[in-house]
Amino acid sequence: DAGVTQSPTHLIKTRGQQVTLRCSPKSGHDTVSWYQQALGQGPQFIFQYYEEEERQRGNFPDRFSGHQFPNYSSELNVNALLLGDSALYLCASSLREMNTEAFFGQGTRLTVV
Amino acid sequence: AQSVAQPEDQVNVAEGNPLTVKCTYSVSGNPYLFWYVQYPNRGLQFLLKYITGDNLVKGSYGFEAEFNKSQTSFHLKKPSALVSDSALYFCAVILSNFGNEKLTFGTGTRLTIIP
Repeated sequence: DAGVTQSPTHLIKTRGQQVTLRCSPKSGHDTVSWYQQALGQGPQFIFQYYEEEERQRGNFPDRFSGHQFPNYSSELNVNALLLGDSALYLCASSLREMNTEAFFGQGTRLTVV
Repeated sequence: AQSVAQPEDQVNVAEGNPLTVKCTYSVSGNPYLFWYVQYPNRGLQFLLKYITGDNLVKGSYGFEAEFNKSQTSFHLKKPSALVSDSALYFCAVILSNFGNEKLTFGTGTRLTIIP
């Protein structure tokens, strides 16, 4: 049983460009959440998708958008990249029930130059 | 609003000694509490969780945590530290309300086990 898989593992982009990160949830999970982890900090919640809709959103600008597909996989899109967007982006999947823990992927390291 | 505090950025423990990584939380309802570990250039690995019931929770790799409602704490413990326990540890909280499943993380504690 594959866990949460993210692609790519590393990415270098230039300021102003756009980027798409991908996530496949753990088998049987229906909810995908995205987190941004800046260097030396804890992960910060970006948004969560369930039934192909954004259900919750953290304190991130509209440049951050996402999508969930019918097979529960998800994409995170970031437009007009800033140097400050450089971070490890983590995807987590879970079941809708409250008492199941989130499983995290290995992350995508985004560097904006 | 919910928040988590990890008061120690760095904890150093000699191999074989007991270890404690501290966490306090602030929520306006009943919390679900979690500990995750992160190894270099890796994602987060789940260690243990408190939902309800027994205040002492046992998790992976010999770790345990004690939920203390009066002190709003959820400290991570292990009786005998291993060098392989060296990593970054995060405490996290969710409010136990359906639909509010956003994990709020602390800033992390770097645990170093000294051989």
